[in-house]
Amino acid sequence: DAKTTQPPSMDCAEGRAANLPCNHSTISGNEYVYWYRQIHSQGPQYIIHGLKNNETNEMASLIITEDRKSSTLILPHATLRDTAVYYCIVRVPQRGDQKLVFGQGTRLTINP
Amino acid sequence: NAGVTQTPKFQVLKTGQSMTLQCAQDMNHEYMSWYRQDPGMGLRLIHYSVGAGITDQGEVPNGYNVSRSTTEDFPLRLLSAAPSQTSVYFCASSSNPGRGTEAFFGQGTRLTVV
Repeated sequence: DAKTTQPPSMDCAEGRAANLPCNHSTISGNEYVYWYRQIHSQGPQYIIHGLKNNETNEMASLIITEDRKSSTLILPHATLRDTAVYYCIVRVPQRGDQKLVFGQGTRLTINP
Repeated sequence: NAGVTQTPKFQVLKTGQSMTLQCAQDMNHEYMSWYRQDPGMGLRLIHYSVGAGITDQGEVPNGYNVSRSTTEDFPLRLLSAAPSQTSVYFCASSSNPGRGTEAFFGQGTRLTVV
């Protein structure tokens, strides 16, 4: 699986959009980009994933650059409950391989 | 819908004791796995299962055993607890990671070995 690089920490004001970057310059053609978050020692929570196209769900949007070497997770209207560690993971989804490699992630703090 | 349920939530063991961490899911997921998370670190895969009767080792399997007799349950056994196994343990399940589906995690078991 390709290596990812994320900033260790970010701050965002409540109500504003939080944009979390992830660099994955060695990503291969069949690797997906996944985002999870972990709120204060709870179990990780899936947010979104994508391959090439931008994706949106009820939680967030995922913007993947055309060359797929980087991506941005967007929380459109951040709330205090979005304070968490956010993990960007790149992997090939395949049967028999469940390993999710969680790096250090980005600690996002939403300020009132 | 309960999702992934882990018991107990907290446990203190003495060195050399054995115990079983329970994990159950009610989503009929084929795939289940166990991770451990140490302070300031990401999660590391201990063991995983691709279906009832099938298990395999992950990144850090030593000192742990697993079995999968049913689709719903995936217990993790500590054979002889050591202080190095003090950690937070998370169980996860997913329907078919081959199709890019997400993993669902339990709330964790916080284990201290003294």
